[in-house]
Amino acid sequence: AQKITQTQPGMFVQEKEAVTLDCTYDTSDQSYGLFWYKQPSSGEMIFLIYQGSYDEQNATEGRYSLNFQKARKSANLVISASQLGDSAMYFCAMREGETGGFKTIFGAGTRLFVKA
Amino acid sequence: GAVVSQHPSRVICKSGTSVKIECRSLDFQATTMFWYRQFPKQSLMLMATSNEGSKATYEQGVEKDKFLINHASLTLSTLTVTSAHPEDSSFYICSALQVRLMNTEAFFGQGTRLTVV
Repeated sequence: AQKITQTQPGMFVQEKEAVTLDCTYDTSDQSYGLFWYKQPSSGEMIFLIYQGSYDEQNATEGRYSLNFQKARKSANLVISASQLGDSAMYFCAMREGETGGFKTIFGAGTRLFVKA
Repeated sequence: GAVVSQHPSRVICKSGTSVKIECRSLDFQATTMFWYRQFPKQSLMLMATSNEGSKATYEQGVEKDKFLINHASLTLSTLTVTSAHPEDSSFYICSALQVRLMNTEAFFGQGTRLTVV
């Protein structure tokens, strides 16, 4: 069964507008972490933002914010004021387990295209 | 953020030979490192979890004898693709886990594109 679901294979957004990338997850753990990564065409993975399951406030990092809705098990990424350089593949990931037994699982990814 | 260096970034090898990929955490110690494989336009698939000083934990369907993982020190994990075949051609990415007081974060290497001819 899918543990991380990203339902948008591709998204278009106009430059300077905001965009939301969806992510839902499934876990029975009480303690887990949610991540978003950006993967440009070069292939490297770039960490964007982290949300812990016990964090009450939504995480924010510059233009990135994570809309964490624990009851709905969703962790959507919001990019404000999109830039052309934001065009890339975006992966939502979940880490579950404990020290010594962590496992990180990735969603299928969403390809974001920013239009000028 | 912390730096993870993966080497080489690209490698072409002949079918039947072995290839070693290194993953180093440059400015922190990582007791846990992960190895992923990514096919074109697909997500990362976890291959194995590498723990320093112990045997790696492989995901279901990953051949242990084909993908040898060694985590000999707190800053280095290696993945050796043995007797490589064209179907092993892929993008391999490692990540190193940095455990901190407030949160734990994974940092990724740059990836290695393996082409087996």
